[in-house]
Amino acid sequence: AQKITQTQPGMFVQEKEAVTLDCTYDTSDQSYGLFWYKQPSSGEMIFLIYQGSYDEQNATEGRYSLNFQKARKSANLVISASQLGDSAMYFCAMREPNTGFQKLVFGTGTRLLVSP
Amino acid sequence: SQTIHQWPATLVQPVGSPLSLECTVEGTSNPNLYWYRQAAGRGLQLLFYSVGIGQISSEVPQNLSASRPQDRQFILSSKKLLLSDSGFYLCAWSVRSGNTEAFFGQGTRLTVV
Repeated sequence: AQKITQTQPGMFVQEKEAVTLDCTYDTSDQSYGLFWYKQPSSGEMIFLIYQGSYDEQNATEGRYSLNFQKARKSANLVISASQLGDSAMYFCAMREPNTGFQKLVFGTGTRLLVSP
Repeated sequence: SQTIHQWPATLVQPVGSPLSLECTVEGTSNPNLYWYRQAAGRGLQLLFYSVGIGQISSEVPQNLSASRPQDRQFILSSKKLLLSDSGFYLCAWSVRSGNTEAFFGQGTRLTVV
């Protein structure tokens, strides 16, 4: 079964600095998808970025980029130029492949706090 | 554009009472629908998913059930709530196939007292 591990329960960063949130995954499948979601205190899950297992380039979306190292089974989220509004919980998730639907398996999350 | 509505936002219910949480999606057809639960300080656990009307799959044995009476409507229910049913419940949808993200509703914070 697929498994997502986020080993950082909390991270602190100063405004305008970059921060990396770690995510490792375990799967025996060759085709899979990896996602990062942001959950602010309001509770809504906001999609940030996606990386497919066959994508050769690391995904980027604005200030978010995904450092995908397939051999190491890691998919770390990099947030550049942190902003106060980035303070939130961040979840890494994996889509179970070959199911035809998005059964997402989530990690336990990392709480990011951005200080002025 | 597609939107997902989930209500109520918060709910306090006594042990043994019934539960009904509703989720509707607008702006898309034939979506996959999901119910997730998030315990305090934890990740999301998939409870149910549905690929079509009347088609429900359960991921974990529990005190809850789900129904999909219409294409874009997903309901989470319980006949008798337990204290352990407390948590944050999130409804989500995704397109039927492909490597696409799931879109989440605002969530319902349920407290069973």
